[in-house]
Amino acid sequence: ILNVEQSPQSLHVQEGDSTNFTCSFPSSNFYALHWYRWETAKSPEALFVMTLNGDEKKKGRISATLNTKEGYSYLYIKGSQPEDSATYLCALYTGGFKTIFGAGTRLFVKA
Amino acid sequence: GAGVSQSPSNKVTEKGKDVELRCDPISGHTALYWYRQSLGQGLEFLIYFQGNSAPDKSGLPSDRFSAERTGGSVSTLTIQRTQQEDSAVYLCATQDRGLGETQYFGPGTRLLVL
Repeated sequence: ILNVEQSPQSLHVQEGDSTNFTCSFPSSNFYALHWYRWETAKSPEALFVMTLNGDEKKKGRISATLNTKEGYSYLYIKGSQPEDSATYLCALYTGGFKTIFGAGTRLFVKA
Repeated sequence: GAGVSQSPSNKVTEKGKDVELRCDPISGHTALYWYRQSLGQGLEFLIYFQGNSAPDKSGLPSDRFSAERTGGSVSTLTIQRTQQEDSAVYLCATQDRGLGETQYFGPGTRLLVL
């Protein structure tokens, strides 16, 4: 059974701290990796989609990297703000129609 | 509307009752997924609709769960004889073009079975 692991499960940081978390996945059968942000009482929204080994994507203070050979992706947040508090979901597409989601990393940013 | 909408946003029901959850997709999106997230778990795939093709129901956890999509648009997920373990957030997502593309999620229905 294909498994997407995210760590840590939750993270508490102070406003202004930079932070990062990990998504690990089997390196075989890789097609694409998605990061989503899910704020409480809102819809998960797409942050990045990455397909190539070495891909780096950036949106404002948030960036992500991808290593398909070793099977991991990092999400970085620079200078965390309270509005960054959310669950960050990693999702792996391996072909067919299914996208396998991790359990997410829940980020709490304290002002 | 511009996004995926779901109703109700919250549902509290008694064990044994039936519930129906609705998803209104983004217009023109041919693919529609239902997921659920139980406490502390990842998103669990339930069912997938693509155009007029037969849906893939391989993720439905039991025969108490069923879903339909009328006219390739609105979808309903029905849970019969609800159990406490059915309590979860039920998310609908739609997708435009091909497989592996970004999915656009609705806000979810939070179901609590007492």
